[in-house]
Amino acid sequence: DTAVSQTPKYLVTQMGNDKSIKCEQNLGHDTMYWYKQDSKKFLKIMFSYNNKELIINETVPNRFSPKSPDKAHLNLHINSLELGDSAVYFCASSQVEGATEAFFGQGTRLTVV
Amino acid sequence: GENVGLHLPTLSVQEGDNSIINCAYSNSASDYFIWYKQESGKGPQFIIDIRSNMDKRQGQRVTVLLNKTVKHLSLQIAATQPGDSAVYFCAESGNNAGNMLTFGGGTRLMVKP
Repeated sequence: DTAVSQTPKYLVTQMGNDKSIKCEQNLGHDTMYWYKQDSKKFLKIMFSYNNKELIINETVPNRFSPKSPDKAHLNLHINSLELGDSAVYFCASSQVEGATEAFFGQGTRLTVV
Repeated sequence: GENVGLHLPTLSVQEGDNSIINCAYSNSASDYFIWYKQESGKGPQFIIDIRSNMDKRQGQRVTVLLNKTVKHLSLQIAATQPGDSAVYFCAESGNNAGNMLTFGGGTRLMVKP
């Protein structure tokens, strides 16, 4: 019974393409997140979103945009993909914002060629 | 990382020994700290957390110690087992927009049988 699920698990695409990664959580949490993990395993927050507010890490290019059709979903859209976008992207959710445990999905390995 | 400093070193221990993984943070306003374990090909999994009003918290085979004076956090794993082999991350939150978790760089724990 997966709590936070992401699709696809692997994504290989060419530079310049537009792609989306889907995320769903069945925990009833109010807040969802997207993290990027680079080749050195460093995890960096990209977005935090609840039904009231989207908080964007200022270092994230505007080619990245989260879309939330409802409380249980937070999809990540990426336009004009670049080589440097290659990484593992993790979706996560928490019951409330911030100072509480976040539950992570299994990750989506994006490779841009 | 921005507030939590830990570059990916490797800790190698013998099965059955105790492991100690350390983490330094710089944001004195941080009030929540958490340790995650990430196995290969998986998302980070919660291990244990601690709030700033405590200096020690114990779980099953794990203990987290918080020293606010020197802004230091540690994870102790008792009787380390091969299944403990993974990358371990500390993270903190507090006093940032959305109180999002900020992760350190991770430590790879290798358990020798």
